[in-house]
Amino acid sequence: QSVLTQPPSVSGAPGQRVTISCTGSSSNFGAGYDAHWYQQLPGTAPKLLIYANTNRPSGVPDRFSGSKSGTSASLAITGLQAEDEADYYCQSYDSSLNVLFGGGTKLTVL
Amino acid sequence: QLQLQESGPGLVKPSETLSLTCSVSGGSISSSGYWWGWIRQPPGKGLEWIGSFYYSGNTYYSPSLKSRVAISVDMSKNQFSLKLSSVTAADTAVYYCARTRITISGNWFDPWGQGTLVTVSS
Repeated sequence: QSVLTQPPSVSGAPGQRVTISCTGSSSNFGAGYDAHWYQQLPGTAPKLLIYANTNRPSGVPDRFSGSKSGTSASLAITGLQAEDEADYYCQSYDSSLNVLFGGGTKLTVL
Repeated sequence: QLQLQESGPGLVKPSETLSLTCSVSGGSISSSGYWWGWIRQPPGKGLEWIGSFYYSGNTYYSPSLKSRVAISVDMSKNQFSLKLSSVTAADTAVYYCARTRITISGNWFDPWGQGTLVTVSS
């Protein structure tokens, strides 16, 4: 069981907006540690999508955005496209210097 | 462009030691401000952090694996290695190496290697 909780699956039609939540606790997000997000396309390695809550690496479309508030973080995808179908993972840290991953969310584009 | 490549045996027998190497190209392991780490993913499951290190010697391991894990670095070859002892079928996974950016408020992994599948079976 992951310390960071994500919904197992979300879905949306092309062009729609979807959000993926990541719920933590006072030991991670609530302690001020950042949220990061990864996209894993089928059969490939994870790719950094959002770092430090809201920042997009070069090359990531602005359709992807992140936020963090209190003990939770969220990833939003607008203008959903078929190529966005993938697994999405949130990641953070705790005060014992342990790296934490969420259990992952499978996004299905209907 | 920084690239990482994992290598090692794809099959390990139960109770033996899993050994993998991550070769880094396009950048140096001794780059200031960057740590390096190992993450694994059992088939059909999520990501699990194994451990991270800084070239100067600081190393941190997942509490659940700490008793069986060792990460080492070979600066001359720009490589780092993972050893996981007393493996069982539960250690079957795709193993990834990645560069880690560390800040005061946490860390993130970028880029990742392509991953290598290690199966534990007799």
